[in-house]
Amino acid sequence: DTGVSQDPRHKITKRGQNVTFRCDPISEHNRLYWYRQTLGQGPEFLTYFQNEAQLEKSRLLSDRFSAERPKGSFSTLEIQRTEQGDSAMYLCASSRLAGQAKSNYGYTFGSGTRLTVV
Amino acid sequence: DQQVKQNSPSLSVQEGRISILNCDYTNSMFDYFLWYKKYPAEGPTFLISISSIKDKNEDGRFTVFLNKSAKHLSLHIVPSQPGDSAVYFCAANQAGTALIFGKGTTLSVSS
Repeated sequence: DTGVSQDPRHKITKRGQNVTFRCDPISEHNRLYWYRQTLGQGPEFLTYFQNEAQLEKSRLLSDRFSAERPKGSFSTLEIQRTEQGDSAMYLCASSRLAGQAKSNYGYTFGSGTRLTVV
Repeated sequence: DQQVKQNSPSLSVQEGRISILNCDYTNSMFDYFLWYKKYPAEGPTFLISISSIKDKNEDGRFTVFLNKSAKHLSLHIVPSQPGDSAVYFCAANQAGTALIFGKGTTLSVSS
């Protein structure tokens, strides 16, 4: 179990550019989540996948954001035409299906990708 | 509308004493509650959880108490240690939905 990996750790981009982040979950976890965290706030839910199906999207996920999880393994989060308000830490987490292993119900988070839009 | 609220942004405690972190929620449909701990430049780490059918769960120095009638939960850390200094997030959800997090409480434990 190597944990949840996120790449890159840091990204600085100019306003208007597109960026893509990658998340590799724990291999036996069915669910994968994307959250965004800004200064002084807790993680805010963006979207989640169960295997390859995207089951829920937050209203925070504007049409400039798109997430994919092909083949139910790694996931990518793309932000098009970045804005300064997109600057944040983007966190990925994975978990087993609820009920399969209640002691592991908690999500396992990656270390995040810090995006700075200049 | 914030469904999970942590009204104390920070808490300072001396080493060896008890730390009590509080959390309130508004959604009576929540059936699972969790606490996460976060160090700078790292992702949140799962700490302890409690189901809505229980009122207490204990794991070593950490105990979570749930008061459903008051829609309130608390995390007790006894004894507090300097390594406990971190940001603590309360989170909750209904079965099958994504976790909703509070804004966090920064705990500082001084030696």
